[in-house]
Amino acid sequence: SQTIHQWPATLVQPVGSPLSLECTVEGTSNPNLYWYRQAAGRGLQLLFYSVGIGQISSEVPQNLSASRPQDRQFILSSKKLLLSDSGFYLCAWSLSGRTDTQYFGPGTRLTVL
Amino acid sequence: AQTVTQSQPEMSVQEAETVTLSCTYDTSENNYYLFWYKQPPSRQMILVIRQEAYKQQNATENRFSVNFQKAAKSFSLKISDSQLGDTAMYFCAFRTSGTYKYIFGTGTRLKVLA
Repeated sequence: SQTIHQWPATLVQPVGSPLSLECTVEGTSNPNLYWYRQAAGRGLQLLFYSVGIGQISSEVPQNLSASRPQDRQFILSSKKLLLSDSGFYLCAWSLSGRTDTQYFGPGTRLTVL
Repeated sequence: AQTVTQSQPEMSVQEAETVTLSCTYDTSENNYYLFWYKQPPSRQMILVIRQEAYKQQNATENRFSVNFQKAAKSFSLKISDSQLGDTAMYFCAFRTSGTYKYIFGTGTRLKVLA
């Protein structure tokens, strides 16, 4: 069966510091991968999605970036965090070619001080 | 633009009773998929139920069922015999065939009362 991991689970970072969140999927090949952000009490905002290694689509222009160095690894990064980057970050995957259902990771709670 | 609207920000229901959460969407496409996700206090997003738009029969999963009205672009979730563990945020979402993007509603916070 497929599983999705995210780490770290929680992170507290000062403004201006870099960020690296990692997401890995097990049990499937060439998944579609997604990064979402959820502000407190709000809905999901799609940040990036990837349909293959090196293929990244950005939905929201901001100081975040994403990379997919390996087939089942998706990384969210920032060179300098802003206060507004605080939130709950969710990674998700769906089957390549059959993108009918998304499955989510446990999430990372990021607090920027 | 494709949108999903959940008009009930918060709802409450007594334990063992039935509750219906509303969702409407807007798309000009004919082939798409619809989903309800549950986000409990742990914040892990869990798939509750899914529906293919080409299927007329409403999907059911144990105590969860949907009322899919394609012409009205409505996709409501009915929870029967509500349990305390159903307390969560519920998100409606859809994706059109041939795209990779999922559109989510703003969510309905459901509280089940003992």
